[in-house]
Amino acid sequence: AQTVTQSQPEMSVQEAETVTLSCTYDTSESDYYLFWYKQPPSRQMILVIRQEAYKQQNATENRFSVNFQKAAKSFSLKISDSQLGDAAMYFCAYRRSDMRFGAGTRLTVKP
Amino acid sequence: DGGITQSPKYLFRKEGQNVTLSCEQNLNHDAMYWYRQDPGQGLRLIYYSQIVNDFQKGDIAEGYSVSREKKESFPLTVTSAQKNPTAFYLCASSDRGRRNNEQFFGPGTRLTVL
Repeated sequence: AQTVTQSQPEMSVQEAETVTLSCTYDTSESDYYLFWYKQPPSRQMILVIRQEAYKQQNATENRFSVNFQKAAKSFSLKISDSQLGDAAMYFCAYRRSDMRFGAGTRLTVKP
Repeated sequence: DGGITQSPKYLFRKEGQNVTLSCEQNLNHDAMYWYRQDPGQGLRLIYYSQIVNDFQKGDIAEGYSVSREKKESFPLTVTSAQKNPTAFYLCASSDRGRRNNEQFFGPGTRLTVL
């Protein structure tokens, strides 16, 4: 079974600074999809960014970007110019058939 | 607006009682999912359904049951056989045809067993 590992239970960043959240996954497949979801205190899950494994180019969405290293099975999320509203739980997810989630990283943004 | 609704937001149950969590979507999605979220853990899949009248067990299906009689609805019943049902429950849906599609989530139901 595919597993997703987020090794950082908690992270902290100063407002306007940059932070990187780590994610690794285990799979024998070559065609799959990766996602980062954000869960703010409201607990509503919100898609942040997605990456298709067959694409070498790293996905970018405004201040959010990923560093996708397929051979290393690594999928980190970089948040630039951090804002107070970025404070949330962040979940990495892998999808081939069903979706597998990591345990999450709680991000705190300090003013 | 299109989206997923879950009700109720908070639910309290006495031990030994069955309880049903509602999930409705108007996104015209074929696939629907139920997840359980516990503190310090990610989302764990309980059941999923790819089409009407068909559903499959996820990783932690024991003590739960579902039905999929309509495309829009995927209710989850937490039975008395579930040993530790206190948790946050999330319903999601997606377009079955494309694997790169995200799953859209409802606002969740917090279930507490008294």
